[in-house]
Amino acid sequence: QVQLVQSGVDVKKPGASVKVSCKASGYVFSSFGITWVRQAPGQGLEWMGWISAHNGNTNYAQKLQGRVTMTADTYTSTAYMELRSLTSDDTAIYYCARALVVADWFDAWGQGTPVTVSS
Amino acid sequence: QSVLTQPPSVSGAPGQRISISCTGNSSNIGAGYAVHWYQQLPGTAPKVLIHGNTNRPSGVPERFSGSKSGTSASLAITGLQAEDEADYYCQSYDSSLSGVVFGGGTKLTVL
Repeated sequence: QVQLVQSGVDVKKPGASVKVSCKASGYVFSSFGITWVRQAPGQGLEWMGWISAHNGNTNYAQKLQGRVTMTADTYTSTAYMELRSLTSDDTAIYYCARALVVADWFDAWGQGTPVTVSS
Repeated sequence: QSVLTQPPSVSGAPGQRISISCTGNSSNIGAGYAVHWYQQLPGTAPKVLIHGNTNRPSGVPERFSGSKSGTSASLAITGLQAEDEADYYCQSYDSSLSGVVFGGGTKLTVL
C-alpha cells in the first residue's frame, strides 16, 4: 500500500532553517509528484508547493517563493522540504502528500511533522 | 482570507442531510479546474473524500457526494453519523496564483 512516512518533531529558533523529509513506499516514486501542505495551530490548510519526483520541476506558493526549497531523491524515494528564515508564523504541522500533477488531488498523506519556532 | 470560501461551521442531527458550499471565482473553479474535498478528523492528516468534482475513491461511503456548478462546488453528506464530525476542506487550482488553493475549512458538528 502507498505510504508516506515523515521525519519527527522539530523545534527551531527564529531565523533558523528546517528540513522535513517524506519517505515514500508502495509505488513507483518517480511516477508521481509530492506536494507539501502546512497547518498552523487551529487554522486551515495552506499549500506550500509541489515537486515532480520524475524531473525535479517545482511549483512554489507565491507567498513562500525565495524561502522554500523542495527536492526529491529517486534513489531513496524521499522528498524533502526546506524552509529558511523561520519566524513564529511558521509554527505548524507540515504534511507531504502524493499528487500526480500540481493541480491534482492528494490521494495519500504523510502523518505530519510538527515544527515549532520559538526563542 | 482564503481564496475559496466555505462556511465556518455546519451542523445536523444524526440521519439528516447537510451540504457544505465552496465558492471560488473565474480564476479557479469557474475556469474549469476540478474541486476536491478532504475530511480531517481531530489530530489526524486529511483524507480525500471526493476528487474531480464528483468522484469517490474506493472505501469512501456513498453517503458522501460532490457537485460543481459555475464558480461553486458542494459536498453533501446524507444519513449523518456521529463519526462524520470533522473539519472539511475544498481544494482547487488557481491560474492567477499559479498554485493550489484551499477553502478555509468547515467544522461539521453532529448534534
